[in-house]
Amino acid sequence: AQSVTQLDSHVSVSEGTPVLLRCNYSSSYSPSLFWYVQHPNKGLQLLLKYTSAATLVKGINGFEAEFKKSETSFHLTKPSAHMSDAAEYFCVVSDLDSNYQLIWGAGTKLIIKP
Amino acid sequence: DSGVTQTPKHLITATGQRVTLRCSPRSGDLSVYWYQQSLDQGLQFLIQYYNGEERAKGNILERFSAQQFPDLHSELNLSSLELGDSALYFCASSVTGQNEKLFFGSGTQLSVL
Repeated sequence: AQSVTQLDSHVSVSEGTPVLLRCNYSSSYSPSLFWYVQHPNKGLQLLLKYTSAATLVKGINGFEAEFKKSETSFHLTKPSAHMSDAAEYFCVVSDLDSNYQLIWGAGTKLIIKP
Repeated sequence: DSGVTQTPKHLITATGQRVTLRCSPRSGDLSVYWYQQSLDQGLQFLIQYYNGEERAKGNILERFSAQQFPDLHSELNLSSLELGDSALYFCASSVTGQNEKLFFGSGTQLSVL
């Protein structure tokens, strides 16, 4: 059965420093992987999506994620954090085993220090 | 603006009552999803509809029900409300309902007192 583990419930970085949000998944098939972002008091928005094309996926707002099959990881990164990046980030997996239903991680709250 | 409209934005009610949350999907989207988000449970998938038919069911309580109408809008009915049902309820929509980008509404904040 597939699952998603977001390794950190909270990540705190200083503005201008790199961001790393970690996500590991389990999947029996070639998965599709997503990152969604939820800003305070807002709905969720898709940041990026991986669907077996290039392993490095670029998303909105300067974020990118790399699919590493050998490590079953799909970590989200950004070279330089901005105050507006403060939000909760969700890693999501979907594959044939789940009948393509979305399996959501528990979320990582990103805190940006000035 | 995602194009998904949820009403009302806020709802305050008492235990034991029944409420209806409404969702209008993006134009052209056939699938609607309902999610519940609370501090202790996080984001929980409740139910999905595609073109009027139930497609998938998640952690939806028996006191809750939903439907998707011919015009593709959806309603989530919550009955015999308990304090623990207080949460943010999101609706999302997508074109085909399978392995693709979801567009989320801004949610309905339900407070059960």
